[in-house]
Amino acid sequence: NAGVTQTPKFRILKIGQSMTLQCTQDMNHNYMYWYRQDPGMGLKLIYYSVGAGITDKGEVPNGYNVSRSTTEDFPLRLELAAPSQTSVYFCASSYLEGQGGQYFGPGTRLTVT
Amino acid sequence: GQQVMQIPQYQHVQEGEDFTTYCNSSTTLSNIQWYKQRPGGHPVFLIQLVKSGEVKKQKRLTFQFGEAKKNSSLHITATQTTDVGTYFCAANDYKLSFGAGTTVTVRA
Repeated sequence: NAGVTQTPKFRILKIGQSMTLQCTQDMNHNYMYWYRQDPGMGLKLIYYSVGAGITDKGEVPNGYNVSRSTTEDFPLRLELAAPSQTSVYFCASSYLEGQGGQYFGPGTRLTVT
Repeated sequence: GQQVMQIPQYQHVQEGEDFTTYCNSSTTLSNIQWYKQRPGGHPVFLIQLVKSGEVKKQKRLTFQFGEAKKNSSLHITATQTTDVGTYFCAANDYKLSFGAGTTVTVRA
């Protein structure tokens, strides 16, 4: 099993550009999450999904969109990138909500200039 | 969501010494999870605590959940260089709310 994979690993965007961060898991987990981590800070939940076709906002959803058309994939879309979105983005998945741990991908380091 | 405070924010430890990091909440938690993130890496799940007063051990790491389920601690004995990283607690209130973490450095 590859676990949770994320692409790209690094990306530099200009202000106003858009991009999609890809996330795939091969563990058949129902729950998937997107977090951002700013330097020296904890993780902030952007969006999460409890299954294919179901998504919901987390703590910091503004400027982002998600979709969940399959169990495996949970892409994060950035529209009109802003410098405040410079961060490391982690995708995670779990089998049960609130039980057991979340499995994290390696992260995408995004810089918006 | 739940807010958890972690102290200390930074912990500089002499190799071989013990240390403890704490996680506190103002409200009762259903359960709490601990994660470790190595420098430049991603968070890795360590353990989940569910029961009041629960104590779990993983080799040199001891995790404890308070009797009131409002606080938790991670104690590491005989610190090694492999313990370097940031330790996060995460409160479970339908979704995880992560603390800011305790960043551990080790002096050889």
